Amino acid sequence: SQQGEEDPQALSIQEGENATMNCSYKTSINNLQWYRQNSGRGLVHLILIRSNEREKHSGRLRVTLDTSKKSSSLLITASRAADTASYFCATDDMDSNYQLIWGAGTKLIIKP
Amino acid sequence: DGGITQSPKYLFRKEGQNVTLSCEQNLNHDAMYWYRQDPGQGLRLIYYSQIVNDFQKGDIAEGYSVSREKKESFPLTVTSAQKNPTAFYLCATRQGWTGELFFGEGSRLTVL
Repeated sequence: SQQGEEDPQALSIQEGENATMNCSYKTSINNLQWYRQNSGRGLVHLILIRSNEREKHSGRLRVTLDTSKKSSSLLITASRAADTASYFCATDDMDSNYQLIWGAGTKLIIKP
Repeated sequence: DGGITQSPKYLFRKEGQNVTLSCEQNLNHDAMYWYRQDPGQGLRLIYYSQIVNDFQKGDIAEGYSVSREKKESFPLTVTSAQKNPTAFYLCATRQGWTGELFFGEGSRLTVL
């Protein structure tokens, strides 16, 4: 199956700044999800946005979805050291039993 | 506590040996998944099961086998036929056909 793509591959910012990560995909989707993974750990679900939604908020997270461009962005505002992690987007493939297709991730480093 | 338990966390294998990774869940979720993660890459689907006594191959099933005899358990066997088994293995569950995945903490397999 095709992989999504995330951009940038790595991002290093100062604590307190905003971090923006982008995800592009290739198939028609039902929803798009963002996950966080701390080093050597399992993934944790952050937010899910449906194909008929354009923007969604959860705490300091803001996700946008543009189905015409097949792209999504994740914005983390007022970053903290604890936000240091890898962030992955995943889309469900409507042609493949809704199995998730994963991007390669963005590694985010928050400098104190 | 509700959750997903993967064991062992670390496993070393000699070439030619089969090893079995355990995944147990008490979330009462129907669907269970095994993913492989290599450094700097996204997740690749090995096998998934949406109901007891049934499972499907994912994108990289060759050299792996699974069983789903109980709803709570979905063990993965890495066989000697898998030529490059060193990786981080993640088990996940999902309530239905779509929606968020819940992950275990992963098992790191190293072939000596």
